[in-house]
Amino acid sequence: QVQLVESGGGLVKPGGSLRLSCAASGFTFSDYYMSWIRQAPGKGLEWVSYISSSGSTIYYADSVKGRFTISRDNAKNSLYLQMNSLRAEDTAVYYCARRIRNRNYYGMDVWGQGTTVTVSS
Amino acid sequence: EIVLTQSPGTLSLSPGERATLSCRASQSVSSSYLAWYQQKPGQAPRLLIYGASSRATGIPDRFSGSGSGTDFTLTISRLEPEDFAVYYCQQYGSSPSIAFGQGTRLEIK
Repeated sequence: QVQLVESGGGLVKPGGSLRLSCAASGFTFSDYYMSWIRQAPGKGLEWVSYISSSGSTIYYADSVKGRFTISRDNAKNSLYLQMNSLRAEDTAVYYCARRIRNRNYYGMDVWGQGTTVTVSS
Repeated sequence: EIVLTQSPGTLSLSPGERATLSCRASQSVSSSYLAWYQQKPGQAPRLLIYGASSRATGIPDRFSGSGSGTDFTLTISRLEPEDFAVYYCQQYGSSPSIAFGQGTRLEIK
């Protein structure tokens, strides 16, 4: 079945780094744009980053620009988020999500279960 | 940067009642790029509506979306017990800017 599974979260000290992964299955990963979205404890959803199907187009939220890097490996059906210079305010559940295939519209129709990142000394 | 403001913050209703949730954008957004999600505690969000009014696959027809420009509405015609959750609107704009509203909590009265 169509599925996204995140991994790589954990506890890291301020200024540290983590690399999140998102494994896709059940669909042709290379056909879809993907995003990372995060949710701080008890808070709402915040878009983090977005990558086109080929990886040629990438965007970041201002809050992570210059610190986070999104990438994908279509041969491995995987999405990544390299997070550097982590701050306490980056503490959140991180979700990967698939954009609907019809690019005349926007919506994210498949989500992973999330991986928790905690930045604390 | 477009800001989405959802109202009310919390909506208290009973099963069987009609729910009307609002999402207002700080500037005009394309209806094609306005979506609604439902999130239950401990779960990932679920896409309900895309293109402001198109139901996602498997979404019951008691959920409907409408609106254009800066004002959008999610309506749940007759609340079922499983509909009590937090609802978010989202827009995709140029740059791109991808923004979520702060959410409306729909709770059982």
